[in-house]
Amino acid sequence: GQNIDQPTEMTATEGAIVQINCTYQTSGFNGLFWYQQHAGEAPTFLSYNVLDGLEEKGRFSSFLSRSKGYSYLLLKELQMKDSASYLCAVMDSNYQLIWGAGTKLIIKP
Amino acid sequence: ETGVTQTPRHLVMGMTNKKSLKCEQHLGHNAMYWYKQSAKKPLELMFVYNFKEQTENNSVPSRFSPECPNSSHLFLHLHTLQPEDSALYLCASSQTQDSSYEQYFGPGTRLTVT
Repeated sequence: GQNIDQPTEMTATEGAIVQINCTYQTSGFNGLFWYQQHAGEAPTFLSYNVLDGLEEKGRFSSFLSRSKGYSYLLLKELQMKDSASYLCAVMDSNYQLIWGAGTKLIIKP
Repeated sequence: ETGVTQTPRHLVMGMTNKKSLKCEQHLGHNAMYWYKQSAKKPLELMFVYNFKEQTENNSVPSRFSPECPNSSHLFLHLHTLQPEDSALYLCASSQTQDSSYEQYFGPGTRLTVT
């Protein structure tokens, strides 16, 4: 079957760095997405990786290793507004998104 | 501003009621999706429409009935629901289905079945 694993919850301190990991097993691979979802709001797109390596976008970076079925989202200089759930999703061979259950990130002052 | 709107934002209905959820996208996209989001569970894809044609129905019970009159509008008709159907229902759109374009989500309808 298809499976996406990510930690349920993480806690970090304002101003610090946090890495959220995601491992996957899917039928085919057409890219990996990270979304941010604040409580009661819509998920919003953060990043897309289809080739191995690191993609940097401001304070957020996303890394992919296809051979290991592994990705991480790196958040730097954490701000209180970064408190949210972070969803990892893989697009399979049928271009369907397979979603993880999300990682709730709690930022403390 | 995501460009995808959903109404109503909250809905409470009894098991014998009939109601409809509405989604509208203002992004010129050709694919639209219905997802169910339950607490601490992955998003579950329910239905996909690509250029107004239904392309996916992921074993969704017949008490959920989708309708896509045009590329900008998507409905989810609900009847004789069960309490376990209580969840957040999210609509999303993307450029097309058969490509790696990101999906844009609406704010969701929080549904409670009593």
